[in-house]
Amino acid sequence: GEDVEQSLFLSVREGDSSVINCTYTDSSSTYLYWYKQEPGAGLQLLTYIFSNMDMKQDQRLTVLLNKKDKHLSLRIADTQTGDSAIYFCAESIEGYQKVTFGIGTKLQVIP
Amino acid sequence: DGGITQSPKYLFRKEGQNVTLSCEQNLNHDAMYWYRQDPGQGLRLIYYSQIVNDFQKGDIAEGYSVSREKKESFPLTVTSAQKNPTAFYLCASSTLDTNTEAFFGQGTRLTVV
Repeated sequence: GEDVEQSLFLSVREGDSSVINCTYTDSSSTYLYWYKQEPGAGLQLLTYIFSNMDMKQDQRLTVLLNKKDKHLSLRIADTQTGDSAIYFCAESIEGYQKVTFGIGTKLQVIP
Repeated sequence: DGGITQSPKYLFRKEGQNVTLSCEQNLNHDAMYWYRQDPGQGLRLIYYSQIVNDFQKGDIAEGYSVSREKKESFPLTVTSAQKNPTAFYLCASSTLDTNTEAFFGQGTRLTVV
């Protein structure tokens, strides 16, 4: 079955890079996602990567996928206070109309 | 503007009462979902629906019920059988494509006193 794991908390200084990690267990995962949740709000999609890709970059965001280790990471360059939020890793598997979410990593940016 | 709307944002109920949370979308999405979020436990799937008049249990369906009479609407009822109903509830919708973005509502915070 699907299982997505993340660490609970990350603290970084403003201007530094943040790296949020995620591991998943289902080797047939087709798409992997990063969602952002600001306090008291719903989740918003930040970026996604197809499982046949190793890396995807979008402005300050870089997603790295290591299929052998089933490891996904989200790097945020030049982290700003507005990046403080909970970040969820998620996976969807071809043939299943359901997305499985990780527990969420709370990112705290220190000014 | 297209989107997904949950109401109300905050809800208080007495223990033992049933309560219904509203979720409406005008994105023409086939799939709709209800999640529960507790501190330190991430999102847990309660129910989901891929078509009108059909729905499936998620990981924590006990004590909850849903209906999908219209494509646009997927209300969640928290029944008195739910032992610990105080939580943040999130509704989402998506297409049925493999690569699909889930659009989330702003959530309803339910407090049972």
